[in-house]
Amino acid sequence: QKEVEQNSGPLSVPEGAIASLNCTYSDRGSQSFFWYRQYSGKSPELIMSIYSNGDKEDGRFTAQLNKASQYVSLLIRDSQPSDSATYLCAVSAGGTSYGKLTFGQGTILTVHP
Amino acid sequence: EAQVTQNPRYLITVTGKKLTVTCSQNMNHEYMSWYRQDPGLGLRQIYYSMNVEVTDKGDVPEGYKVSRKEKRNFPLILESPSPNQTSLYFCASSYSTGHEQYFGPGTRLTVT
Repeated sequence: QKEVEQNSGPLSVPEGAIASLNCTYSDRGSQSFFWYRQYSGKSPELIMSIYSNGDKEDGRFTAQLNKASQYVSLLIRDSQPSDSATYLCAVSAGGTSYGKLTFGQGTILTVHP
Repeated sequence: EAQVTQNPRYLITVTGKKLTVTCSQNMNHEYMSWYRQDPGLGLRQIYYSMNVEVTDKGDVPEGYKVSRKEKRNFPLILESPSPNQTSLYFCASSYSTGHEQYFGPGTRLTVT
């Protein structure tokens, strides 16, 4: 089982719809959770970070964390063509491996007009 | 401008010829890290450093070395590169361990 697994893509949604991206992780001691966006040929850029259970909203983006289910998700409301990119879930390990950051394989999102 | 810089951006080399990819940040960040990105495998952590003189292995450290003698610099050394190290490499830094990371522009390395 992969340490961090994202829902298989690619994901295609119409403009204005809600895009839902999911991620599960195996390390119960994980402390910090991140969503990055990566455009083709570019470096990853942070969209959201979340550290405690519940929802965190920032503009059109909402991150949800459920540590009991070892699940983190990202919702993008009112999706725009400019949101088309690869979305990477990243999880920071707990315990003695606290500095280790593991990424999921990424989900390609396409928002079509 | 706050940034992470990497050099070179592109490099083609031959098997066995030692090389160094430099990484520097101007944000006074404690934490720095190196990743490689390969199609179908995503981003994988090579090494990370939680502070000066403190480094640790990530998921794929074999064939790589790092050092952290100064806070701002974190070079990646390939002592004897092999073709399976052909990849896109990213350096990243963050304020502290467990915080969001800022990525450099990437170095595309080809080993023939």
